[in-house]
Amino acid sequence: QVQLQESGPGLVKPSETLSLTCTVSGGSISSYYWSWIRQPPGKGLEWIGYIYYSGSTNYNPSLRSRVTMSVDTSKNQFSLNLRSVTAADTAVYYCARHRGRSSGFDFWGQGTLVTVSS
Amino acid sequence: QSALTQPASVSGSPGQSITMFCTGTSSDVGSYNLVSWYQQHPGKAPKLMIYEVSKRPSGVSNRFSGSKSGNTASLTISGLQAEDEADYYCCSYAVTNTFVVFGGGTNLTVL
Repeated sequence: QVQLQESGPGLVKPSETLSLTCTVSGGSISSYYWSWIRQPPGKGLEWIGYIYYSGSTNYNPSLRSRVTMSVDTSKNQFSLNLRSVTAADTAVYYCARHRGRSSGFDFWGQGTLVTVSS
Repeated sequence: QSALTQPASVSGSPGQSITMFCTGTSSDVGSYNLVSWYQQHPGKAPKLMIYEVSKRPSGVSNRFSGSKSGNTASLTISGLQAEDEADYYCCSYAVTNTFVVFGGGTNLTVL
């Protein structure tokens, strides 16, 4: 059974960079698309972007100027960097595997709350 | 404001059937059969319940079914059970450069 686990700081200061890593276990990161999705407290889901195991990426246009994703197949990990954060970026951040490129997200991490505050 | 429109809440009694809707446009829901539905219990990660409009992942109860007509997708839950009480989100591939869009979520209450 594939499992995903997010890791990274739970508190980030305004204007700094939010950095998270997702570690995939129970399966290979190869041949799949992987996304980051976030959920502000009490609100709905927002897709941030995806990365293919080969390294190709696609980001949500609303966040594209601040987002970078990378993948490390040797460690079965992929990462998210979100620059110049504000309080509006406070959310639970999930990593998820695509079931096919566009068919939905079939495996999710448990999520990690990142709070932006000084 | 979410790209896909979902009612804020629906409710039903145990044993009943309910249907919730997800309305998009010809650029997302209406474009391809790439609508998915997620169940989210409080404090938990979303769980894939339906993909490609009407397909169920292994392990998901056949009480859950999905369909689509034009720009509107629907999720039907039959034989409601207390454990079905959760938030439900629809999601669709979008032909625009947004790739995927989510609905705002529907809170299901089992009375």
